[in-house]
Amino acid sequence: ELKVEQNPLFLSMQEGKNYTIYCNYSTTSDRLYWYRQDPGKSLESLFVLLSNGAVKQEGRLMASLDTKARLSTLHITAAVHDLSATYFCAVDRGGSEKLVFGKGTKLTVNP
Amino acid sequence: ETGVTQTPRHLVMGMTNKKSLKCEQHLGHNAMYWYKQSAKKPLELMFVYNFKEQTENNSVPSRFSPECPNSSHLFLHLHTLQPEDSALYLCASSGIGRDTGELFFGEGSRLTVL
Repeated sequence: ELKVEQNPLFLSMQEGKNYTIYCNYSTTSDRLYWYRQDPGKSLESLFVLLSNGAVKQEGRLMASLDTKARLSTLHITAAVHDLSATYFCAVDRGGSEKLVFGKGTKLTVNP
Repeated sequence: ETGVTQTPRHLVMGMTNKKSLKCEQHLGHNAMYWYKQSAKKPLELMFVYNFKEQTENNSVPSRFSPECPNSSHLFLHLHTLQPEDSALYLCASSGIGRDTGELFFGEGSRLTVL
């Protein structure tokens, strides 16, 4: 059974600081996704990582995938308040088009 | 309209009521999903449909009944629900095969069972 673990689950940080959210998964997969969810809203796709070594960047967020380590990271650079949200990683179970989600990391960026 | 649309956005129902949630996708996808998101649990996959055929029922109680009349529409029929069924129900769609497998979510239907 594929298990996806994120840490930390809660993250409070100051504006301007850097931090990394980690996503570990238990079985082989080469597809990983990051989503953002604002309170009361749906999930918005941030990054799609489809191969080992994939790195994608959008604004202050950068995601990477190491399939050998079964690890993805979401790095936040010089955080701003607008990044406050819950971030989920999700891993493809392999050929079944079904994603297994982590519990989410609730990020709060304080002024 | 574009993307994935869910109605109603909010629903309050008693335990003896029967109601339905509707989802429509305008992305040309072939797979549709129902997820449940509650405060105390991670996102839970409920049902998966590929080309209108149900391919997964993730041990969901029979008081939830899905229906997929075509690749663009998905319903979740609700009857005799329990208060613990109160949650945000999210519909999603994706392509299959060579597609990236990325899920596109609707805005969700917030269900409260009294």
